[in-house]
Amino acid sequence: ELKVEQNPLFLSMQEGKNYTIYCNYSTTSDRLYWYRQDPGKSLESLFVLLSNGAVKQEGRLMASLDTKARLSTLHITAAVHDLSATYFCAVDRAGTASKLTFGTGTRLQVTL
Amino acid sequence: NAGVTQTPKFQVLKTGQSMTLQCAQDMNHEYMSWYRQDPGMGLRLIHYSVGAGITDQGEVPNGYNVSRSTTEDFPLRLLSAAPSQTSVYFCATKNTGHGGNQPQHFGDGTRLSIL
Repeated sequence: ELKVEQNPLFLSMQEGKNYTIYCNYSTTSDRLYWYRQDPGKSLESLFVLLSNGAVKQEGRLMASLDTKARLSTLHITAAVHDLSATYFCAVDRAGTASKLTFGTGTRLQVTL
Repeated sequence: NAGVTQTPKFQVLKTGQSMTLQCAQDMNHEYMSWYRQDPGMGLRLIHYSVGAGITDQGEVPNGYNVSRSTTEDFPLRLLSAAPSQTSVYFCATKNTGHGGNQPQHFGDGTRLSIL
């Protein structure tokens, strides 16, 4: 059974600080996704990571993937209040009809 | 979210009632799926479809039925609602071309309360 764990579950950080969210998964997976969800809203795709060593960046967010360690990280640089949201990682496997398994999410609160 | 439309946005049911959650997409995506989101548990897959006429179970299918008669629509049916089905339901679609390496696109969700 594929399991996905995120930590921390809740993160409160000051504007301007850096931090990293971790996503571990239990079995070999082919694709790792990061999503953002604002309160009461839908999920917005941030990154798709496909291969070992993949790194993608968008603004203050950078995601990386280590398939050997079964670990992905989402790094936040110089946080701003607008980044406050819940961040989910999810994985699936090629040939499994894109069945996503989600982590429990990390609620990020950026304070002034 | 352009492309994936869920209706209704909110619904309150009594235990034992039935209802259908609608999901429609205009992106011509073959893949469609339903997830439920509960506090502290992330999203869990209920049912999915890889194309018209083809459906299969996900992680938590009990109490739900689906059908896929067209590419555009993928309704989720609750036959006899139970309080444990109180949740936020999301429909998602995916372009399965390009090696299947595209993300899923989510609708705005349906908030369902079962009393």
